[in-house]
Amino acid sequence: SAVISQKPSRDICQRGTSLTIQCQVDSQVTMMFWYRQQPGQSLTLIATANQGSEATYESGFVIDKFPISRPNLTFSTLTVSNMSPEDSSIYLCSVEQVGGRSSYNEQFFGPGTRLTVL
Amino acid sequence: DQQVKQNSPSLSVQEGRISILNCDYTNSMFDYFLWYKKYPAEGPTFLISISSIKDKNEDGRFTVFLNKSAKHLSLHIVPSQPGDSAVYFCAATPRSGTSYGKLTFGQGTILTVHP
Repeated sequence: SAVISQKPSRDICQRGTSLTIQCQVDSQVTMMFWYRQQPGQSLTLIATANQGSEATYESGFVIDKFPISRPNLTFSTLTVSNMSPEDSSIYLCSVEQVGGRSSYNEQFFGPGTRLTVL
Repeated sequence: DQQVKQNSPSLSVQEGRISILNCDYTNSMFDYFLWYKKYPAEGPTFLISISSIKDKNEDGRFTVFLNKSAKHLSLHIVPSQPGDSAVYFCAATPRSGTSYGKLTFGQGTILTVHP
């Protein structure tokens, strides 16, 4: 399976500031996604990071708040802009790749970035 | 509207016994289902998946059953081990259309396996 790393692993930020989270994959992948897990909640899809074009955002998420870059097939960034305490979450990137154990592609997750906004 | 539901927030099982985790879904467009295990401070780890053309898939100690008419799936872990203690998430996605690959997750079930 793909090896996915995220930077930073955690951060504590002041409200009103922005944080950029990086996601690096050890192989080229077509589909990359960004998810959020708020405290005590499930994982929610923020957007699909498209290589060479704008990200596709899910309902409730907008580009101004969560700008995403995908400059190539192994790297993406998610920025959390103008942060408030409600943005305190774990942010995870995921990639879809042929997993080998099924005839379908499987989706693998990075270790996550734990963000706390004061 | 919660399209994927795991109605049991927690489950406690004795080591060596069977763990059964349940998941229900409402969206008929979902045709591929996945189970993930998550430890604190780590990303979810893929466990096993099943497509809607099957009703059972096995991988070692893990078996997933799908009842398409009831829109219900379950994950069986036999035998359960203390290392299986984690949060288990059920996820679903359509394998076609504009939502291809986009996972919808349940709320998770905390599994505790006692020695």
